[in-house]
Amino acid sequence: GEKVEQHESTLSVREGDSAVINCTYTDTASSYFPWYKQEAGKGLHFVIDIRSNVDRKQSQRLIVLLDKKAKRFSLHITATQPEDSAIYFCAASPSNTGNYKYVFGAGTRLKVIA
Amino acid sequence: DTTVKQNPRYKLARVGKPVNLICSQTMNHDTMYWYQKKPNQAPKLLLFYYDKILNREADTFEKFQSSRPNNSFCSLYIGSAGLEYSAMYLCASSRLGAYEQYFGPGTRLTVL
Repeated sequence: GEKVEQHESTLSVREGDSAVINCTYTDTASSYFPWYKQEAGKGLHFVIDIRSNVDRKQSQRLIVLLDKKAKRFSLHITATQPEDSAIYFCAASPSNTGNYKYVFGAGTRLKVIA
Repeated sequence: DTTVKQNPRYKLARVGKPVNLICSQTMNHDTMYWYQKKPNQAPKLLLFYYDKILNREADTFEKFQSSRPNNSFCSLYIGSAGLEYSAMYLCASSRLGAYEQYFGPGTRLTVL
């Protein structure tokens, strides 16, 4: 089955700098890649996603890149702010599972230093 | 309203005792999921309901039960809690044909 590896367990950046979180997956059938943010004491909150028919997607300060050949995708947070501090989870969803089951990475704790 | 609610938020259970966790959503979503999240680990899918059909993951098949009495509610039941069940339990829901899942705040279960 699908396995997702999230390469950075922790990441510290200075406010205003960019943060990059990298994930790799194993199943070539995966076609949907969401990112979730978890703030202290709260549940997972959707931030951005990308489908396999594109290789880049941007939503305000968030950019997701997908390299299907390398089975790698990444989240770029530009002009970071203190409120970006949280745990970020990547996930992959094989398109042949019907109900879009997610396989998550273990999370990256991002700390934005003022 | 895109809220998924979970009750209780914190649960203390004794080894060997049953545990019942509740999740609700008012978005009329077809599918509801339960994940287990342990510290420094990825959320792990335990089971999901598509409408009234329960699908349990192979490696957790016998450890967890669930019921969905109506479209809005879904429970997660542990018949006899063990120490290894201590974790955060996350409920999520999604609409048929949509990829995005909406998560609740989680229930932190501590088994003593």
